[in-house]
This record gives sequence, C-alpha cells and structure tokens, in this order.
Amino acid sequence: ETGVTQSPTHLIKTRGQQVTLRCSSQSGHNTVSWYQQALGQGPQFIFQYYREEENGRGNFPPRFSGLQFPNYSSELNVNALELDDSALYLCASSHPGESTDTQYFGPGTRLTVL
Amino acid sequence: AQRVTQPEKLLSVFKGAPVELKCNYSYSGSPELFWYVQYSRQRLQLLLRHISRESIKGFTADLNKGETSFHLKKPFAQEEDSAMYYCALIRGGYNKLIFGAGTRLAVHP
Repeated sequence: ETGVTQSPTHLIKTRGQQVTLRCSSQSGHNTVSWYQQALGQGPQFIFQYYREEENGRGNFPPRFSGLQFPNYSSELNVNALELDDSALYLCASSHPGESTDTQYFGPGTRLTVL
Repeated sequence: AQRVTQPEKLLSVFKGAPVELKCNYSYSGSPELFWYVQYSRQRLQLLLRHISRESIKGFTADLNKGETSFHLKKPFAQEEDSAMYYCALIRGGYNKLIFGAGTRLAVHP
C-alpha cells in the first residue's frame, strides 16, 4: 500500500506568479483534502475533493482552486501569489467507507513567496 | 464558529513525569475530536480519536462535553514522545478537520 505523496518538496515563487502543487492519494482513497499550515500555526482547511467534485471549502479566496483526477490524484493551484501564501501545504486522503474521518497526510510542499 | 484552542505552545517535562496537553473546543453540536502528532522529520499522523476510547503509546484523552475539553494525558513521559501535538475536531458529517495551533512537547532525560 502506497502512502500519500506530494510534489514538489520545496518551491520558491515571486509575488504575482502562479503555482501548482500535486498530491497522490493513498491507494484506495477517493477523497482528498488540502490544508495550509503557516509557520507556528495548525493546518487550515482549504478545500476537499470527493470523486472529482469540490466537497467543501474553507475561508480561502477563489484564487485558490483545485482539481481531482479519475485516479483520485489532486492538484492545488494558487494564482496571483501573495507573500502571505508562504506556508507548508498539506494534502490528506481518506475513504468514506473506512473509519471515516481518518485522514492520512502527505509530507507537504513548502512554498516560499518572495 | 468551531474553534480549537491549545493554550500551551511548549510543554517541557522530564522523562517519567506525567504529561497533560490541554485542548479546549467550541462547537455547539457533537463534534468528533482527534489528536494528531508530528514527530521530527515525519508527517502528521493520527494519534487517537475520542470515539475509539483507546490508549495509543500510553496516551489517553477523554472528551468532557461539560468543559468542552479533550486533554491528552500520559502518566509517564518518554523521550520518544517529544513531538508536536495537534488537537482537531470534525463537525459531524463533514470531513473537514479544524486544528488547534499545536503544542510542542519536549521530554528531557
């Protein structure tokens, strides 16, 4: 069984640019959630995808968008990057059929916006 | 609004001492509460959840609805318990985790 993987590990962008982060779910999981973790804070929910549809969204502006593919991998896209977008971005996969709410986290992508 | 509060950023104890990591929540319904742990250079992982009522690595946590608390306890801390601990809740039927800011537990020899 493969765990949740994320790419890239680290990324440096400048203000105004766009970025795409990727996540591969744990085998058999059809739900992916994305979280933003700023330095010294707990993870904050961005949005969740279930079977390729957005299934809930946190308090993030529309320039944060996502996709989920038929193989349940996922992308997080951020447009018009701002300095405050610098954070660790985590994805977590889960399967509603099993012990529901147990989310398995990836190692994260560290985004730095200069 | 739902909120999770972990009042201590750092808890420093000696090996063998009891540990209590505090967590308070605000939610009007019946939430599900969790403790997640992140060891150095490892990913965030589930430690325990209140509905399981289990003990993991010697840790237990009891949901106190009257005090809206879900404190994590261990009677005798070990050095390998040193990590970042996050309390989190999920509103029933909506799989969105709301995390506290975390408490760093440092266990000294």
